[in-house]
Amino acid sequence: DTAVSQTPKYLVTQMGNDKSIKCEQNLGHDTMYWYKQDSKKFLKIMFSYNNKELIINETVPNRFSPKSPDKAHLNLHINSLELGDSAVYFCAASRGQAFYNEQFFGPGTRLTVL
Amino acid sequence: AQSVTQPDIHITVSEGASLELRCNYSYGATPYLFWYVQSPGQGLQLLLKYFSGDTLVQGIKGFEAEFKRSQSSFNLRKPSVHWSDAAEYFCAVGAPSGGGADGLTFGKGTHLIIQP
Repeated sequence: DTAVSQTPKYLVTQMGNDKSIKCEQNLGHDTMYWYKQDSKKFLKIMFSYNNKELIINETVPNRFSPKSPDKAHLNLHINSLELGDSAVYFCAASRGQAFYNEQFFGPGTRLTVL
Repeated sequence: AQSVTQPDIHITVSEGASLELRCNYSYGATPYLFWYVQSPGQGLQLLLKYFSGDTLVQGIKGFEAEFKRSQSSFNLRKPSVHWSDAAEYFCAVGAPSGGGADGLTFGKGTHLIIQP
């Protein structure tokens, strides 16, 4: 069983569109994250979500909004897509706070904005 | 704020040879340190982690890493690499981010190439 899954694996869309990426974890962990990996493979955290508390990295544009319908899901919605949003987006989950707990990563979603 | 430096963008090693990937961190207190591996087209997988105690930690797939506080380093080693070790390796530090999202801070990765 996949611990953290993401759909879709690939997403190609036009500039200005709104899109969503879904993330599900079956680990029962209470903290989930979204990371962005740019073309140079640099990984940067975007959000962490724990017990309905959302913590946003200050550099993330407000066009990005995570939505958690339940503890096992943290979906990423992106409005008015821009060329610079092209990247691989990773969802992750951990038990409790990330900075000392192992994070389990999904396989990533490669977003291409044309 | 914490930071991680991986000075080598690419490393090429012959199969069967030993490997050392460098990682330096910057953080005011004792850090939580991690090494993750990303195989092509895959997500990240934890190789090993250091929180406290013995400064030499063993991980999966025959990897080990040594924490050296005096050098602010956490280098990853493997005595004999296999072709399947070709991947991207990320060092990361975990620390409370003072109001920001408490995720990991990653280095920029080292791309490992294995020569036959």
